[in-house]
Amino acid sequence: GENVEQHPSTLSVQEGDSAVIKCTYSDSASNYFPWYKQELGKRPQLIIDIRSNVGEKKDQRIAVTLNKTAKHFSLHITETQPEDSAVYFCAASLAGNQFYFGTGTSLTVIP
Amino acid sequence: DGGITQSPKYLFRKEGQNVTLSCEQNLNHDAMYWYRQDPGQGLRLIYYSQIVNDFQKGDIAEGYSVSREKKESFPLTVTSAQKNPTAFYLCASSPDRGWGNQPQHFGDGTRLSIL
Repeated sequence: GENVEQHPSTLSVQEGDSAVIKCTYSDSASNYFPWYKQELGKRPQLIIDIRSNVGEKKDQRIAVTLNKTAKHFSLHITETQPEDSAVYFCAASLAGNQFYFGTGTSLTVIP
Repeated sequence: DGGITQSPKYLFRKEGQNVTLSCEQNLNHDAMYWYRQDPGQGLRLIYYSQIVNDFQKGDIAEGYSVSREKKESFPLTVTSAQKNPTAFYLCASSPDRGWGNQPQHFGDGTRLSIL
């Protein structure tokens, strides 16, 4: 099956700096890559996603890049704010709608 | 997403007891999922269902059982065979049965503990 690795497991940045979280996947058939944000004790919320026919996608301060050849994708958050502090999960999905999640990155934005 | 309701929010299990976690969605989604989340770990798939009366085991199905008698409902039973059930359980749904994957929508979760 698919294996998704996520790095780093923890990340601290100063407010206003950028944060980058990286994920790799093993199955070249994976074609959909969502990113979720989870605040403590709450449900994961989709923040951005990308499909395998696209290399980059942006939504305001958040962007995701995908390198299919190297089988990795990354989340970029610019101008970080304290409310960005949360755990972020990447996922990869094969056809059939089965999802495989990374182990999460705990992001702390220091005011 | 208010369309997925999990209950109860907190649940305690006694030794040798089976407990059932409820998951209901009104989003008209075909696929539903159960995940287990342990501290510092990602989401691990327990079971998923792409259509009524059909479901498949995920990576950690041992000690769990599910049913999918209605499109809206996908209850999870944690049996006494699951020796380490303490975790945060998340239910999710997505609108597609297999073509063109769509994002999952999650419920608020159930936190299960052993008494």
